[in-house]
Amino acid sequence: LQVHESGPGLVNPSETLSLTCTVSGGSMSTTDYYWGWIRQPPGMGLEWIGSLYYIGTTYYNPSLKSRVTLSVDTSKNQFSLKVNSLTAADTAVYYCARFSQQLWTFDIWGQGTLVRVSS
Amino acid sequence: QSALTQPRSVSGSPGQSVTISCTGTSSDVGDYYYVSWYQHHPGKAPKVMIYDVSKRPSGVPARFSGSKSGNTASLTISGLQADDEADYYCCSYALDSSLYVFGPGTKVTVL
Repeated sequence: LQVHESGPGLVNPSETLSLTCTVSGGSMSTTDYYWGWIRQPPGMGLEWIGSLYYIGTTYYNPSLKSRVTLSVDTSKNQFSLKVNSLTAADTAVYYCARFSQQLWTFDIWGQGTLVRVSS
Repeated sequence: QSALTQPRSVSGSPGQSVTISCTGTSSDVGDYYYVSWYQHHPGKAPKVMIYDVSKRPSGVPARFSGSKSGNTASLTISGLQADDEADYYCCSYALDSSLYVFGPGTKVTVL
């Protein structure tokens, strides 16, 4: 199973970022896993953004909750991230990942996609 | 600003051992056994090396081991190899805050 992020590499400040994660090699409609987003600003550490279950249950980092929306489209085996009211501080590499409930860890990650917020 | 603290860098010669610490609080590392360690080679997908404090996923060499004492978790790499040179991040479950908190990362350099 693999996950792969896609979306724009450059977004204007104050606008909304939309990223999609495509799951291949397996179905995301399983009770064994959650699906999440993590980001890494340049020169900084990882930050968990949020996670969702295939039926649509969502969990958000409280520090980002007011600006973030996660959604899932099981028919396409995809899940998505939207971040609104962007600022330069949202510039980061965004990763999607699978969270295993058995191992209680993010066990499969995408390679990440760099998103720059700039006019 | 990370909720967990890690040393910025550690280094060792091939064959030596290095240990990376990850210090949290009684609300995260100290209270749960849900601590993971991820290896990240820049430009590649992060890889889980340790989960549940000390368990290794299939395929991860036994040279990688994890432990925890109080509010501090540790990752030890024994028999250091050139390919171990990477950034390592700890992550803990933290019910009272953001559910999953990461450390700032530690750069391991093989001399």
